[in-house]
Amino acid sequence: AQSVSQHNHHVILSEAASLELGCNYSYGGTVNLFWYVQYPGQHLQLLLKYFSGDPLVKGIKGFEAEFIKSKFSFNLRKPSVQWSDTAEYFCAVKPGGADGLTFGKGTHLIIQP
Amino acid sequence: KAGVTQTPRYLIKTRGQQVTLSCSPISGHRSVSWYQQTPGQGLQFLFEYFSETQRNKGNFPGRFSGRQFSNSRSEMNVSTLELGDSALYLCASSLESGQVIYEQYFGPGTRLTVT
Repeated sequence: AQSVSQHNHHVILSEAASLELGCNYSYGGTVNLFWYVQYPGQHLQLLLKYFSGDPLVKGIKGFEAEFIKSKFSFNLRKPSVQWSDTAEYFCAVKPGGADGLTFGKGTHLIIQP
Repeated sequence: KAGVTQTPRYLIKTRGQQVTLSCSPISGHRSVSWYQQTPGQGLQFLFEYFSETQRNKGNFPGRFSGRQFSNSRSEMNVSTLELGDSALYLCASSLESGQVIYEQYFGPGTRLTVT
């Protein structure tokens, strides 16, 4: 069975700092990759997705992620974070078949003003 | 377009009871998936329905079941509730059909507390 590992459970940054959240997955076949965000009191929202093609994908709110197949990684990045980016971030993997999403444990990001 | 809606939003049940949760997908979405979210285990896949058929199932006991109706609305049922079933139950819908993958859109969830 596939698994997803998010390296940092809690991250605290100051506004304008750069962000990189790590995500590694274990699955040997074709995968579809996602980052979801859960803002305080809100439901899960899709940040970005990778299905195929350019391994550097851009999402909403200035986020981007890079798929590195050889490293089984899909790290999330943002060059300059804002206080409003405080949220829980989840990496998720969906195999090429019809299985459900497998989520990482999440990273709780706190941005200090 | 309205998002995924789930009812009820909050529920308190007693051990041994059963519960039914409801999910209405985004209009036009035919695939509905259910997830359980707990602080300890995180987000875990329960099952997926497509065209009224269960297409995939996660690693949960048979007490967890679901169904999908012809209008794509879905229900999940948990029988003989245990304290450990206390969780946020999330429903997600997608356009997915056949082998084409689409992203899933999540509802606000139903917070189930078992006492």
